[in-house]
Amino acid sequence: RKEVEQDPGPFNVPEGATVAFNCTYSNSASQSFFWYRQDCRKEPKLLMSVYSSGNEDGRFTAQLNRASQYISLLIRDSKLSDSATYLCVGGGYQKVTFGTGTKLQVIP
Amino acid sequence: DTGVSQDPRHKITKRGQNVTFRCDPISEHNRLYWYRQTLGQGPEFLTYFQNEAQLEKSRLLSDRFSAERPKGSFSTLEIQRTEQGDSAMYLCASSFPPSGAQETQYFGPGTRLLVL
Repeated sequence: RKEVEQDPGPFNVPEGATVAFNCTYSNSASQSFFWYRQDCRKEPKLLMSVYSSGNEDGRFTAQLNRASQYISLLIRDSKLSDSATYLCVGGGYQKVTFGTGTKLQVIP
Repeated sequence: DTGVSQDPRHKITKRGQNVTFRCDPISEHNRLYWYRQTLGQGPEFLTYFQNEAQLEKSRLLSDRFSAERPKGSFSTLEIQRTEQGDSAMYLCASSFPPSGAQETQYFGPGTRLLVL
């Protein structure tokens, strides 16, 4: 079983829609969780850290469920510019593991 | 620009040749990571340094691969006797770990390697 698993998609959603991604992790000792965004042929860029209490940044909300070992990302009011691959990341304080990414395509 | 930089951005080489990539981290960051990413996959951990010490190496890092960070600043990743399977994007990331909190890694633009 992979350490971090996510649905590769693609998720094709209309502009303005709400979309949610889930990601599961296998190591119950994992302590650090993030969502990164990666545009085609570019480097990953941090979207947000994920905290136990959940956190929100504008249209983006991240949640952590330790009991079920998953993290989620909710994007409200999708924009065309949100089209990208979203990488789920989990691990210890030093070494983390990236998921394979979930591709999002926002359609006009 | 004070972000992570990598050089070269693209490299085409013939099978069997040696290649070396360089990464310059964000100046105050003492941790430096190397990853490899192939199409449709997330970045895969290769190795990381804290200052000049190489603290962990992945099993993906065969004996043809070597990484150094001699003065705790920039790092190099060398691949000897390249194989076509080495074709990938090689990403470098750096971080400055805050005490007791999550450590954020900042990525460079990557070096895209094509082995013919």
